Amino acid sequence: QSVLTQPPSASGTPGQRVTISCYGSSSNIGSNTVNWYRQVPGTAPKLLIYRNDQRPSGVPDRFSGSKSGTSASLAISGLQSEDEADYYCAAWDDSLNGPVFGGGTKLTVL
Amino acid sequence: QLQLQESGPGLVKPSETLSLTCTVSGGSINRSSYYWGWIRQPPGKGLEWIGTIYYSGITYYNPSLKSRVTMSVDTSMNQFSLKLRSMTAADTAVYYCASTLIPGSGYFYVRFYGMDVWGQGTTVTVSS
Repeated sequence: QSVLTQPPSASGTPGQRVTISCYGSSSNIGSNTVNWYRQVPGTAPKLLIYRNDQRPSGVPDRFSGSKSGTSASLAISGLQSEDEADYYCAAWDDSLNGPVFGGGTKLTVL
Repeated sequence: QLQLQESGPGLVKPSETLSLTCTVSGGSINRSSYYWGWIRQPPGKGLEWIGTIYYSGITYYNPSLKSRVTMSVDTSMNQFSLKLRSMTAADTAVYYCASTLIPGSGYFYVRFYGMDVWGQGTTVTVSS
């Protein structure tokens, strides 16, 4: 049981815009910033978004993040087949004094 | 370019201690703006933070694992390590090491930045 809640799956067609949600509580998302990771099965996670809406160098601006209250969202516009992967949200948890993660959302490009 | 590589046994017996090492290349583990962490992922499941260590040896552990975890750093070898005692089948997972780069220093600021460099992961199975 993950601390942050994500839908297990999401899907879209090429070119479409999809969003993935992430729900937490006052001790994590409600009081801290959110990061997003992308993981192709069998490989290590890769940082996609940090500090709610910041993209590391090399991440296309098709990927964007937002946060409101105790929830956050990842949006992917201009969906491409190579975007198929698992996406994880993460946030600092004040009671843990460390990061907690969502259970992951499997994105399928139809 | 910073790179991380995990090493250790792929198979551990129940009740034994897991020992993993993460070798840092392309940068110094001594750099004050880096924090070094361990994360695991059970088969088909999500990610779980195990703990974080600073080059000075200061550690921060997940409370759910704290009683069984010890992390250490070897600056001469540019490595940091994880020991997890009393292993059970529930500890079967892919174990990753990762780094967080922050501007300046101070664990408080790690919360604002993600883990931006990851090792490839090492699969650990607990079985007799």
